[in-house]
Amino acid sequence: DAGVIQSPRHEVTEMGQEVTLRCKPISGHNSLFWYRQTMMRGLELLIYFNNNVPIDDSGMPEDRFSAKMPNASFSTLKIQPSEPRDSAVYFCASSSSGGPYEQYFGPGTRLTVT
Amino acid sequence: SQQGEEDPQALSIQEGENATMNCSYKTSINNLQWYRQNSGRGLVHLILIRSNEREKHSGRLRVTLDTSKKSSSLLITASRAADTASYFCATVGSEKLVFGKGTKLTVNP
Repeated sequence: DAGVIQSPRHEVTEMGQEVTLRCKPISGHNSLFWYRQTMMRGLELLIYFNNNVPIDDSGMPEDRFSAKMPNASFSTLKIQPSEPRDSAVYFCASSSSGGPYEQYFGPGTRLTVT
Repeated sequence: SQQGEEDPQALSIQEGENATMNCSYKTSINNLQWYRQNSGRGLVHLILIRSNEREKHSGRLRVTLDTSKKSSSLLITASRAADTASYFCATVGSEKLVFGKGTKLTVNP
């Protein structure tokens, strides 16, 4: 298996632009998680899906952030409009639901907003 | 908060020495997991210990769990330079994991 795939690996954009991050989970996994990692705040869970349905989006910082999972093999995290404080590494992870919830992480997308 | 907190924040040792990292948490858990993150990479799952287990081994890794003290420790024996990474504990109450801030381990050759 190729593992969790994320694209792009690096994104540099200007403030105000729309940014879309993409994730392909491991085949057969039915839970998908989006995290953000910064030096100041560590690793934060933004949102997670179970069977393509958003279960908990309490970590999404504000309305500028949205996430979708149109099918079992694809998810997007969108930031519109982007701001410099959104600069971080964004990770996608997947797992099999039903326990024990070991997660498999993608390589991350390093986002820089100037 | 359920968040685990690792201690120490940073640890520097010589190759061949043992490294011990600790994790404390605040609420009841189903299991506790340890992950490693190499610089610039995603997290990699190392080991999972269930709430009814006290100790678990995997290769050079030994994890203990004391639910009465709400704490766990990760021991890496006979460390290698390749063990240099950040190590995170993650607590699981329901399906989602809550990560601590991590311990940055440096193993000097």
